[in-house]
Amino acid sequence: DAMVIQNPRYQVTQFGKPVTLSCSQTLNHNVMYWYQQKSSQAPKLLFHYYDKDFNNEADTPDNFQSRRPNTSFCFLDIRSPGLGDAAMYLCATSAGRETQYFGPGTRLLVL
Amino acid sequence: GENVEQHPSTLSVQEGDSAVIKCTYSDSASNYFPWYKQELGKGPQLIIDIRSNVGEKKDQRIAVTLNKTAKHFSLHITETQPEDSAVYFCAAPREDDKIIFGKGTRLHILP
Repeated sequence: DAMVIQNPRYQVTQFGKPVTLSCSQTLNHNVMYWYQQKSSQAPKLLFHYYDKDFNNEADTPDNFQSRRPNTSFCFLDIRSPGLGDAAMYLCATSAGRETQYFGPGTRLLVL
Repeated sequence: GENVEQHPSTLSVQEGDSAVIKCTYSDSASNYFPWYKQELGKGPQLIIDIRSNVGEKKDQRIAVTLNKTAKHFSLHITETQPEDSAVYFCAAPREDDKIIFGKGTRLHILP
């Protein structure tokens, strides 16, 4: 089945220790998104790639970076995680401006 | 820019009864309204969507209605079942075609 895959599902890191979350898709969608979702809140868009074009949200901290080496893969890098970065990180894809399809998420815990 | 408001924040209904969740949007140019269901520990999953050229769409026990004049749209779930318990998010597109989520409704199906 075509899908959006996120690894790992759970990630524990230490305060200030860089961490990378990964997302892959078999839908061949040209747009990929990263969202942050904190408890009992709606997903918040961090940035997205439209093909190879990177689009950062104005309020996304510099601590968050992203890479998209090819159509299928996209990475979220958190350079120096703080306690406030503990959250669920969701990857989504879409074919242009159409419906977004979400992965299962990676829950990040910062110790 | 687009603003989406969702009510209620929490809803409890007896199993077998109907549930209704309502959302309003601000941008009259918005033309696409998805609804997502998020179960605990999982990513949001699209359950139904509607475009502005129709007033209602149904898929088995789920229906969405759209009132363009009043700028509101609603999710209706009939004959509710325990597996309907989840958080539901409405969404609408913002000016750059990315989507803005409502704050979510936590639906509890009571036995």
